[in-house]
This record gives sequence, C-alpha cells and structure tokens, in this order.
Amino acid sequence: EVQLVESGGGLVQPGGSLRLSCVASGFTLSSYWMRWVRQAPGKGLVWVSRINRDGSSTSYADSVKGRFTISRDNAKNTLYLQMNSLRAEDTALYYCARDGYCSTTSCYPDVWGKGTTVTVSS
Amino acid sequence: QSALTQPASVSGSPGQSITISCTGTSSDIGGYNYVSWYQQHPGKAPKVMIYDVSNRPPGVSNRFSGSKSGNTASLTISGLQAEDEADYYCSSYTSSTALDVFGSGTKVTVL
Repeated sequence: EVQLVESGGGLVQPGGSLRLSCVASGFTLSSYWMRWVRQAPGKGLVWVSRINRDGSSTSYADSVKGRFTISRDNAKNTLYLQMNSLRAEDTALYYCARDGYCSTTSCYPDVWGKGTTVTVSS
Repeated sequence: QSALTQPASVSGSPGQSITISCTGTSSDIGGYNYVSWYQQHPGKAPKVMIYDVSNRPPGVSNRFSGSKSGNTASLTISGLQAEDEADYYCSSYTSSTALDVFGSGTKVTVL
C-alpha cells in the first residue's frame, strides 16, 4: 500500500526547533518530488516547501524562508523538514505529500499523509 | 506572498451547478497554466480534483471541471451531490517564490 506517515510534531517554545519526518512506503521515494503543506487550526492550506527528486533543488514559502529546511534521504525513504526559530504562527498540522500526478510540464500531489501537529507556545 | 482570493462560501441544492472563482495576478494565475483545485473534507487530507487548469486525475468525477480567464480561475461542480460538501482550495504556481500559493478556501454547502 502506498503510504506516507509523518512524525516529529509536538509542543515547542517560541524560538525552539523541531525536525519533522515523513516515511514513505509502497513506492520508491527517489522517483518523486515531495512537498510539505501546513494548516493552522480552523484555517486554510499553505504550501511550505518543495524538493526535487535528488534534493538538489528546493523552494520555500516566504513565511518560512531562512528558518525551515527541507531535505530527503532516499536510501531511508524519508523526507524531512527542519524547523528553526519557531513562532506561534507556525502552529499547524503539517502534511507531507507526493507529487505523483504529472503532466508534461508539472506535477501535483496525489498521496498525502495524515499529518503531524506542531504547537508553538510558551 | 498573498493568498489567491476565493469566496468564503458557496451553496447550492442537489442537482444544481455551482462555480467557485479564484482570483490572482499576472504573477500566478494569469502567467501560468499551473492551476489546481483541492477538495478537503473535515479532518481529512486534501485531494486534488483538477490540475493544469482543466485536467481531472483518474477517479475524479466528470462533474468537476476547471477553466481560466485572465487572472481568474474557476471550478464548476455540476449535478451537485451531498458528498460534494467540503472545503475547496485553488492553487497556482507563482513566480515570486518558485512555489505554489493556495487560495483562501471556499466552503461548499449542499442545501
């Protein structure tokens, strides 16, 4: 079964750090671009970051640029999101997603995890 | 980057058609044909319903269709069904971050 399982969320103080993990199963991670998306409680979706197949190209939302780092270990079938200098506004459910629907010029998420919750509060 | 603009809510009766608009700028919707639409039921992960403006992924009902004119994209749901009641988000590539940007979201209610 194709599956993504996130972990690493929790309660952290403002200014602190967390590393989220997303373990892929049922498919080969190295074949896909991957993304992180977040959703604050009762709010809308926000694309956080995206990474290409070998990790050589990344992109970030303005709100996290310079604080978050996306990476991957294809040998371990795992995607990561290192989050530093956390703020209250980073409190959200964080999803990882696989870019599996591809046209000739672009790809879109077809598989999503259930998410892991990050709460930033003192 | 600012979120794309969607109406907060749209409603319709079973069997009717509804259209959700998504307005951006020439740096996102108007400049690229990389518009997608996502359906999200409460407590669930999003699901892509339309990609590249008007393409449906396998398994998505043909009651869902997408289009674009200038800086505005639209999602039309025809033959509205109770199961269509959900939140819908548009998304577009934006040149400002080389990432995508979501719309503000629209709650669809089936009366």
